[in-house]
Amino acid sequence: SYVMTQPPSVSVAPGKTARISCGGNNIGSKTVHWYQQKPGQAPMLVIFYDTDRPSGIPERFSGSNSGNTATLTISRVEAGDEADYYCQIWDNPTDHRVFGGGTRLTVL
Amino acid sequence: QVQLLESGPGLVRPSETLSLTCSVFGGSISTFYWTWIRQPPGKGLEWIGYNYHSGTTMYNPSLKSRLSISVDMSKNQFSLRLSSVTAADTAVYYCARENSGYFDLWGRGTLVTVSS
Repeated sequence: SYVMTQPPSVSVAPGKTARISCGGNNIGSKTVHWYQQKPGQAPMLVIFYDTDRPSGIPERFSGSNSGNTATLTISRVEAGDEADYYCQIWDNPTDHRVFGGGTRLTVL
Repeated sequence: QVQLLESGPGLVRPSETLSLTCSVFGGSISTFYWTWIRQPPGKGLEWIGYNYHSGTTMYNPSLKSRLSISVDMSKNQFSLRLSSVTAADTAVYYCARENSGYFDLWGRGTLVTVSS
């Protein structure tokens, strides 16, 4: 089945930009979604269809997807952005849904 | 707005069957893909499978032989049954609504521990 690789952790200072990658074979040909999960809470959708934001998600959150890497970018990082982030795709050939392993974002 | 709420036993004995129900409030269950996702303690998310329109199902191949997901439209609920559980099935189980490939609505999750 399709495998997506995320870095286990990313650290960033407040006010700076965080970039969280999601690698996969020709992932640019797939549609990637991103979720934020804070401790003790259910995941929450922050980006869908590579670049779209659900209502209520700040413009500081953006996404891109090309080649073998999809990226979630968080601009002007705030302490409240500290969380685990997961990428997810619909694997078309198998009709399975797949999550990346997750990345813990630490705000220094 | 639509809300999801998981219910079921928090403790299941090894080799027995884990059964959970997700109630859908504020919306109809007659559309969308109704999904279960789990997260072992301290680990990442694992897609379990879905039921769509009370007929079409798709399951994670690693769980398929033990798994059943059903929808009860009369109760606006969907359910998970996972048989022959082991300690490896200990996890927080989330029900979720899938909308065109992404999960836009999640329950709060329920911890199920497999232990004797």
